[in-house]
Amino acid sequence: DSGVTQTPKHLITATGQRVTLRCSPRSGDLSVYWYQQSLDQGLQFLIQYYNGEERAKGNILERFSAQQFPDLHSELNLSSLELGDSALYFCASSPEGWANTGELFFGEGSRLTVL
Amino acid sequence: KNEVEQSPQNLTAQEGEFITINCSYSVGISALHWLQQHPGGGIVSLFMLSSGKKKHGRLIATINIQEKHSSLHITASHPRDSAVYICAVSLNYGGSQGNLIFGKGTKLSVKP
Repeated sequence: DSGVTQTPKHLITATGQRVTLRCSPRSGDLSVYWYQQSLDQGLQFLIQYYNGEERAKGNILERFSAQQFPDLHSELNLSSLELGDSALYFCASSPEGWANTGELFFGEGSRLTVL
Repeated sequence: KNEVEQSPQNLTAQEGEFITINCSYSVGISALHWLQQHPGGGIVSLFMLSSGKKKHGRLIATINIQEKHSSLHITASHPRDSAVYICAVSLNYGGSQGNLIFGKGTKLSVKP
């Protein structure tokens, strides 16, 4: 158990809809990262939040957005869903001073299926 | 050409064999990660390297910064090592090292 919790584990929805994925980081970890894993693209970094502020942005579509709340949990919002958004979405957290430890702690992922 | 290349893509081994998975990258990096993804989908961080060599149990990871190459070795392989092993590199120094570029993974199957 990594200590990172993601909900929901599975989600099936239709094209055009909007969903929210939630991530609770390990206790005390200030950084949350979001990743997308699809069959054709593999794993891709989407976005990082650190202590409530956006710190780094990767290949995140404009239809997607994220935020981190004062209790440090994070949400990834996916809107106007398309078939190609079907993927496994992971979040990971890391502690402050992570550059020294090098470890990321991954959640179990949220599997999104868009029909 | 992908910035992070792994080889082989698939690997089948007999229990007890010594296994090597290779990772080459084409960009300047601050660190390289080895991750393990089990059939159920969960991802575990195995190592982060910026130089030299690290060992944890039967797993050894090495990196050659000049040659832009890293290897993950598994000694005395076991069926429970069956998983996808993913190499990823970080371009950022401090604070955003989870901003990673991933390889496509090596699927390892260890037969009893």
